[in-house]
Amino acid sequence: EAEVAQSPRYKITEKSQAVAFWCDPISGHATLYWYRQILGQGPELLVQFQDESVVDDSQLPKDRFSAERLKGVDSTLKIQPAELGDSAMYLCASSLDGGNTEAFFGQGTRLTVV
Amino acid sequence: GENVEQHPSTLSVQEGDSAVIKCTYSDSASNYFPWYKQELGKRPQLIIDIRSNVGEKKDQRIAVTLNKTAKHFSLHITETQPEDSAVYFCAASANQAGTALIFGKGTTLSVSS
Repeated sequence: EAEVAQSPRYKITEKSQAVAFWCDPISGHATLYWYRQILGQGPELLVQFQDESVVDDSQLPKDRFSAERLKGVDSTLKIQPAELGDSAMYLCASSLDGGNTEAFFGQGTRLTVV
Repeated sequence: GENVEQHPSTLSVQEGDSAVIKCTYSDSASNYFPWYKQELGKRPQLIIDIRSNVGEKKDQRIAVTLNKTAKHFSLHITETQPEDSAVYFCAASANQAGTALIFGKGTTLSVSS
């Protein structure tokens, strides 16, 4: 069964350092999401891609976060510089075509900023 | 943008009882309402979804109801079992370009035997 792949699974970084996460969606899925999930809360949307285009990044802290999906397939989310409050689970999800279809989640990257 | 409220935040039931989780949404254009289950340390997984052209959908012990006029939808789990213990998230989205899946804050369900 096809799955959304994410790496790394765990990342510990010092504050002010740069960190990057990678996501490979299910083949053929046009829509890719990055969510942040703080322990005990629901996933919060950071950015949504349709193919290679950003369609919603209104909640992305653009002073330190960036995301790209250059060829419309895999995606990278970067934080620079990392802050203590960025510690969270970063989940990538993909869907066939937009918010009206089932989103499949990856295992996530657990980020700890020390 | 869309805002999804979910209640209660925690729910404890005895095995065999029913559990009900309720969500409200703000965007009247929303027409897709999935429910996800997240077990400890695992990824969220879809358990059931409903679209605005139906008012109720059932899959074995799980059912979802939708009231578009009131903008709320609910998850019903009957004959709960210990393995139903998890965090449940509701979500909503519209079938429009650029609309994302927006999640509620989650309900932690504990089923005790």
